[in-house]
Amino acid sequence: ILNVEQSPQSLHVQEGDSTNFTCSFPSSNFYALHWYRWETAKSPEALFVMTLNGDEKKKGRISATLNTKEGYSYLYIKGSQPEDSATYLCAFSGILTGGGNKLTFGTGTQLKVEL
Amino acid sequence: ETGVTQSPTHLIKTRGQQVTLRCSSQSGHNTVSWYQQALGQGPQFIFQYYREEENGRGNFPPRFSGLQFPNYSSELNVNALELDDSALYLCASSLGGFSYEQYFGPGTRLTVT
Repeated sequence: ILNVEQSPQSLHVQEGDSTNFTCSFPSSNFYALHWYRWETAKSPEALFVMTLNGDEKKKGRISATLNTKEGYSYLYIKGSQPEDSATYLCAFSGILTGGGNKLTFGTGTQLKVEL
Repeated sequence: ETGVTQSPTHLIKTRGQQVTLRCSSQSGHNTVSWYQQALGQGPQFIFQYYREEENGRGNFPPRFSGLQFPNYSSELNVNALELDDSALYLCASSLGGFSYEQYFGPGTRLTVT
């Protein structure tokens, strides 16, 4: 059974704060690690797909790092804004489970950014 | 938006009934995956269809079945509904093979009473 764990479960921050979340996943059989942003009543939106140990990706104020040897990824948000309020999901895909298409998700981190 | 659509948005069924959920994939994508998100959990992989054939299945009973059509749209069928089947059902489309990108629809909320 694959376990993908995310922490914290929820987070309340003030506008302008920087924050980060953690995703841990199996370090063996690694193929890719995905981060999604999911606003209520919308489709999950792909933020990053990371495949290489040491990968760092950035999209505006959001960035992510990947450590496949120890099985963790961090997502950082710099200068949080109310529109960043969403659930952030990470998902693992493994070579033995068919590669990039079959995702095992964590339970998500629910972020609320307050004025 | 991703270009992946799902119908219906919501529906309510009674225990023991059957339900069909539909998904239209993004243009050019030949693979559709279905996920179930129960309350308080992350999405769980149900199965995947690639070029009209089932291409992998998660830990779901046979009463969960699917189809993919020549235009790559897909259906998820659930027979003999149980209360625990109440969940949000997401579909995601992608290019087949070891591709990375999956594009999700907004989901269908199923309530079983």
